[in-house]
Amino acid sequence: DTEVTQTPKHLVMGMTNKKSLKCEQHMGHRAMYWYKQKAKKPPELMFVYSYEKLSINESVPSRFSPECPNSSLLNLHLHALQPEDSALYLCASSQEGRTGGETQYFGPGTRLLVL
Amino acid sequence: KNQVEQSPQSLIILEGKNCTLQCNYTVSPFSNLRWYKQDTGRGPVSLTIMTFSENTKSNGRYTATLDADTKQSSLHITASQLSDSASYICVVRVNTGFQKLVFGTGTRLLVSP
Repeated sequence: DTEVTQTPKHLVMGMTNKKSLKCEQHMGHRAMYWYKQKAKKPPELMFVYSYEKLSINESVPSRFSPECPNSSLLNLHLHALQPEDSALYLCASSQEGRTGGETQYFGPGTRLLVL
Repeated sequence: KNQVEQSPQSLIILEGKNCTLQCNYTVSPFSNLRWYKQDTGRGPVSLTIMTFSENTKSNGRYTATLDADTKQSSLHITASQLSDSASYICVVRVNTGFQKLVFGTGTRLLVSP
C-alpha cells in the first residue's frame, strides 16, 4: 500500500471558523510533511514531522497548527484564516526524512477555499 | 538562494510525438534530483530520481538526464499519450539533515489528439 490519504477533499470555511485537515499513511513512514500549493505554482513546504516530532517549521503563521498524534496520522488545524490562504494543501510522507534516496509520497490534497 | 527553474512554462504537442522538458538548478549542497508528474488537483507522483553520479535514468517512456557540471536536467517523453497531459515538476533535494526539497515552477504539458 503506497497510498497517502487526505480528508476532506474540499473545504470551504469562513475567516472565523476552526477546521482541521487530516492525513493518513500506513506505509510505516516516520517522516510526514505539509505543503501549500497555489494555482500554477510549485508546492511550498510548511512543516516536517520526523518520528512524531516537529522538525521543520518554515515560518508558517500561527493560524496553521500542525499535530502528529501518532506515526500514521498528521493533522493541520486551521483557525482565523485569510482569503489568501485558499490553496491546495498537500500531505506527503517518506521513510525517515533523513536519507537522501527516499521518495516522498504525496496525497491527493485538500482544496481549501476561505471566504 | 536555492532555485530550480524549468522551461518551457507550457507545451502543447500532438499525441504520439516526443518532447523534452528542461530544468536548471542552483541548489547547494546537492543531494539528488527528481522529476514528478502532477495531474490537476492531485498530488505529485515521482517518475525518476538521479544522484550526482548518474547521467540517465529511464522509467518506461520517460527518460531523465542529469549534467551535474552544468546543473541541468531534462525529461524526455517518447511517443506521448493523452494521459501524459499534466504538470511536470523538477525537484532538487538539499543535502541537509532533513529531506528539504526545492520545487521547480513546473512545465504544463498538453497532449492533443
